[in-house]
Amino acid sequence: DGGITQSPKYLFRKEGQNVTLSCEQNLNHDAMYWYRQDPGQGLRLIYYSQIVNDFQKGDIAEGYSVSREKKESFPLTVTSAQKNPTAFYLCASSIGQTSGANVLTFGAGSRLTVL
Amino acid sequence: GQQVMQIPQYQHVQEGEDFTTYCNSSTTLSNIQWYKQRPGGHPVFLIQLVKSGEVKKQKRLTFQFGEAKKNSSLHITATQTTDVGTYFCAGPEGGSQGNLIFGKGTKLSVKP
Repeated sequence: DGGITQSPKYLFRKEGQNVTLSCEQNLNHDAMYWYRQDPGQGLRLIYYSQIVNDFQKGDIAEGYSVSREKKESFPLTVTSAQKNPTAFYLCASSIGQTSGANVLTFGAGSRLTVL
Repeated sequence: GQQVMQIPQYQHVQEGEDFTTYCNSSTTLSNIQWYKQRPGGHPVFLIQLVKSGEVKKQKRLTFQFGEAKKNSSLHITATQTTDVGTYFCAGPEGGSQGNLIFGKGTKLSVKP
């Protein structure tokens, strides 16, 4: 079945540590996205990528980094510079390059807790 | 900046009652999308509306896009416990070409 796989599902991190969240899709979608979800805050865009080897900052990119070396993969690194990293992280993809009409397919999410 | 607002933030209903959530954009939109997120789950696409005044139905769910293409609503008739979750609307940044901007969602709980 086609879809988006995120791992790990749950992750605990000590303060000061970097952590990388994996996102893999087999939908052959061009565009991929990372969102952060906090209770009562909706979804906020961290980074997005329209094509391999290219990505852009979203609304809350500070303290995060990404790479897009393969079409199928868009890992997110939460660095120690992120002040409040505890959150639910959602990866998504869409057909074609980013446009306002694109429908998003989401992965199951990764819940990061900083101890 | 552009905002997408949803009301109410929470709604508690008795099973069988109707439910409506409203979405308002500060910018005219080329389209609006609705997603549902079950508790502990991830958002799942429900529908996309593109035409002014458009009304679409999915079983007990009715979606409307306003005439001015700045507001939308989702109405559920005779709620069931399976309707529990958070409903998000989303519209493109800049009105047509940008990434989706999500509302904060309406969390629906249904008492059996």
